Amino acid sequence: GENVEQHPSTLSVQEGDSAVIKCTYSDSASNYFPWYKQELGKGPQLIIDIRSNVGEKKDQRIAVTLNKTAKHFSLHITETQPEDSAVYFCAASPSYSSASKIIFGSGTRLSIRP
Amino acid sequence: NAGVTQTPKFQVLKTGQSMTLQCAQDMNHNSMYWYRQDPGMGLRLIYYSASEGTTDKGEVPNGYNVSRLNKREFSLRLESAAPSQTSVYFCASSEGPLTQPQHFGDGTRLSIL
Repeated sequence: GENVEQHPSTLSVQEGDSAVIKCTYSDSASNYFPWYKQELGKGPQLIIDIRSNVGEKKDQRIAVTLNKTAKHFSLHITETQPEDSAVYFCAASPSYSSASKIIFGSGTRLSIRP
Repeated sequence: NAGVTQTPKFQVLKTGQSMTLQCAQDMNHNSMYWYRQDPGMGLRLIYYSASEGTTDKGEVPNGYNVSRLNKREFSLRLESAAPSQTSVYFCASSEGPLTQPQHFGDGTRLSIL
């Protein structure tokens, strides 16, 4: 079955700097890769996603890149702000319509230093 | 706009006790899910309901049962709680069937002594 590894488990960056979180997956049949942000005491919330026919996707300060050959994808946050402090989860699934088969990474706790 | 509402937010049980976690969504979504979140392990799917009237096992179903009461509500039951079931439980929904993204509730923190 699918296995998703996420690194690093914790990340501390200076406010205004960039943060990068990396994930690798094992199942070449995976085609949909969402990223979720979880704030303290809250449930995960989707922040960006990418499908396998796209190599990169941007949404303001957030971007995701996908390398299907190497089976890895990354989340990039530029100009980090205090409100970016949270736990981030990557995930992989065979398609947009196969939510029951989604596998999540173990999470990255991002801290933004003032 | 409430989204996905879970009750209770916190609960402490003794080993062997039973309990039902409640979940309701007001987005008219077809699919609903139950996950558990343990430190260092991300989210793991317990059970899901692709549409009203159907339920299926996920990755870690042992020790749990579910009921899709109607389109809005999806409950998770622990018949005989064990310390290994200490976790944070999240309910989610999606427009469906089984489409993404999923919309999560704020979780139930459950401790089994």
